[in-house]
Amino acid sequence: GENVEQHPSTLSVQEGDSAVIKCTYSDSASNYFPWYKQELGKGPQLIIDIRSNVGEKKDQRIAVTLNKTAKHFSLHITETQPEDSAVYFCAASPPGGGNKLTFGTGTQLKVEL
Amino acid sequence: DTEVTQTPKHLVMGMTNKKSLKCEQHMGHRAMYWYKQKAKKPPELMFVYSYEKLSINESVPSRFSPECPNSSLLNLHLHALQPEDSALYLCASSPRAQGNQPQHFGDGTRLSIL
Repeated sequence: GENVEQHPSTLSVQEGDSAVIKCTYSDSASNYFPWYKQELGKGPQLIIDIRSNVGEKKDQRIAVTLNKTAKHFSLHITETQPEDSAVYFCAASPPGGGNKLTFGTGTQLKVEL
Repeated sequence: DTEVTQTPKHLVMGMTNKKSLKCEQHMGHRAMYWYKQKAKKPPELMFVYSYEKLSINESVPSRFSPECPNSSLLNLHLHALQPEDSALYLCASSPRAQGNQPQHFGDGTRLSIL
C-alpha cells in the first residue's frame, strides 16, 4: 500500500517569511495529492491539491509542486501570517475505487510575530 | 464555515451506552466517509459509502456500525465502546468515490469513553 512521509514535524517561522513542507510517497501509481490545514478544534480543510499531470499549482500565497520522478511534493506558503498557524497534512491517493487517501504525519506550523 | 455538518460536537458515554453520530451534507456529493483521528495523528479511514452503499470497511470492529439513510446523511452507531475508542470522529464527503475527488471534512465529534 501507499506510504507518505512528511517533514518537518514542526516548523516555526517569523511573520512574513516563507514556509515549506515536504512529503514523499511510495506508490508510483498515486496521482492525486491534496493538502489539508487543520486548526485547533476544527476538521481538516482542503487548501490546495494537485494531480499528477501538473507540476505546479498556485493559489494566492499557497503553491504546491510535484516531482513524479522523485515521488515527492511540497507545499509553499509565502508571506506567512499568524492565521497560517495550524497543523498541515499532505496526502496521496492512487487511482481506482474508494478515493482512499493516505495521509502524512502532519506538520505543526507556528508563525511568530 | 464547513459544508459538512456533524452532530453532536462533543459526546461523553459509558462503555455500555448506545449512541449515534450524525453527519449531513447538501453539496450533492455521492460519496461519504468516516475517519477516526487521535490526538497529534492524521485521520484514519474507517468506512466509505458510495451511492448510499458501503464500499469500504477498513476492518473496523463491529461495535462501530455505519448507516447511510440517504445521499445527504451518514450515521455512525456506537455500542459497547472501549476507552481506546476516545478520539475525534470526522465525516467527509466528495462528489464521487472514484477518480480522486476532493474530500471535504466536517469539524468532527469529539468522543470520550468513560
